[in-house]
Amino acid sequence: QKEVEQDPGPLSVPEGAIVSLNCTYSNSAFQYFMWYRQYSRKGPELLMYTYSSGNKEDGRFTAQVDKSSKYISLFIRDSQPSDSATYLCAMVGGYQKVTFGTGTKLQVIP
Amino acid sequence: DAMVIQNPRYQVTQFGKPVTLSCSQTLNHNVMYWYQQKSSQAPKLLFHYYDKDFNNEADTPDNFQSRRPNTSFCFLDIRSPGLGDAAMYLCATSRVPTSAHYNEQFFGPGTRLTVL
Repeated sequence: QKEVEQDPGPLSVPEGAIVSLNCTYSNSAFQYFMWYRQYSRKGPELLMYTYSSGNKEDGRFTAQVDKSSKYISLFIRDSQPSDSATYLCAMVGGYQKVTFGTGTKLQVIP
Repeated sequence: DAMVIQNPRYQVTQFGKPVTLSCSQTLNHNVMYWYQQKSSQAPKLLFHYYDKDFNNEADTPDNFQSRRPNTSFCFLDIRSPGLGDAAMYLCATSRVPTSAHYNEQFFGPGTRLTVL
């Protein structure tokens, strides 16, 4: 079993839809939870990070962490074509090592 | 703007012909990382430098080597590239991780390596 599981998609939604991206994990040592966005042929860029269980909002993006269920989510409201990218969840545990999910490819159709 | 720069963006090499990928940063971060990312896969950490202290991941093949001559530059050398080494190679940097803040890594745009 992988430490981090993420549905690879692809996920296609119409412009304006609410998008839900999810990851599950098995390692209880994970302390920090991050979402990276990766456009085609580019490096990942950090979108959001969270430390504790609960929600964190930044503009159209909301990151949610449920440590009891070992489940994290990223919600995108009013999705735009420019949101089309691969979204990678990432988690930091012991020794500050980052473990990435495989990424979910999102396409927002105008 | 402070950034992580990778050169070249695209590299084509022949099977078995050594290749060097380059990374530079203007963030003045102590830690530099090299990741390998194959299509539809998670980035896989190859090694990282904490200042000049080299840390190799246990499953990184000996074919992959790295050099960090100074704070700003880091190189990835692939001594004898095989077809299975074709991938995107990502360089990242971060501040020294502590318990006080998370380990935000800043990524370069990557070098896409093709092996013929």
